[in-house]
Amino acid sequence: DIQMTQSPSSMSASLGDRVTITCQASQDIGNNLIWFQQKPGKSPRPMIYYATNLANGVPSRFSGSRSGSDYSLTISSLESEDMADYHCLQYKQYPLTFGSGTKLEIK
Amino acid sequence: VQLVESGGGLVQPGKSLKLSCSASGFTFSSYGMHWIRQAPGKGLDWVAYISSSSGTVYADAVKGRFTISRDNAKNTLYLQLNSLKSEDTAIYYCARSLGIYNNYPFDYWGQGVMVTVSS
Repeated sequence: DIQMTQSPSSMSASLGDRVTITCQASQDIGNNLIWFQQKPGKSPRPMIYYATNLANGVPSRFSGSRSGSDYSLTISSLESEDMADYHCLQYKQYPLTFGSGTKLEIK
Repeated sequence: VQLVESGGGLVQPGKSLKLSCSASGFTFSSYGMHWIRQAPGKGLDWVAYISSSSGTVYADAVKGRFTISRDNAKNTLYLQLNSLKSEDTAIYYCARSLGIYNNYPFDYWGQGVMVTVSS
């Protein structure tokens, strides 16, 4: 199975900060990665697909990148509405696997 | 596009439950579908997938106990949960997979349904 190692597990940042969350894949997944945002009591919302593409309706302050087996979600300027949990998912190979999640809090 | 889960509840260990996911707003028969679960306070776990032609794949943790199925005439996805364990306690979500009209899988999710396994 492909392991997705997500970091950090939690973080606190100030409004306007640049924030980066990372997932490392244990095997090659190409660009078959999605980033989700999940707010309390809500379903996950796709933010980035195919590692670097912005999903429908997602603000342009969100971006995704890849460096080898490391995948990153970046928020260029943190806003209060970005407080949420973030999850990565690899869909290259079954069983599909999620990262362990990152809880993003606002200072 | 709308996905609405139902059928959750409190069930004793070893018992069964059947979840449904009613789909609307798209050609259900043209898309594969997934079930994903989230234990209280935990991360997301992929559970099962069914293709548009009803091929299936399962996570090891549920293989042999859970069965994913679909009824295209009713635009409904199912998950039969048998031999339930306490560790199956979670919110269960259905989500749409990749099809010919979308760019990526997991673009739409249901609101989730809670399954609690406890005596």
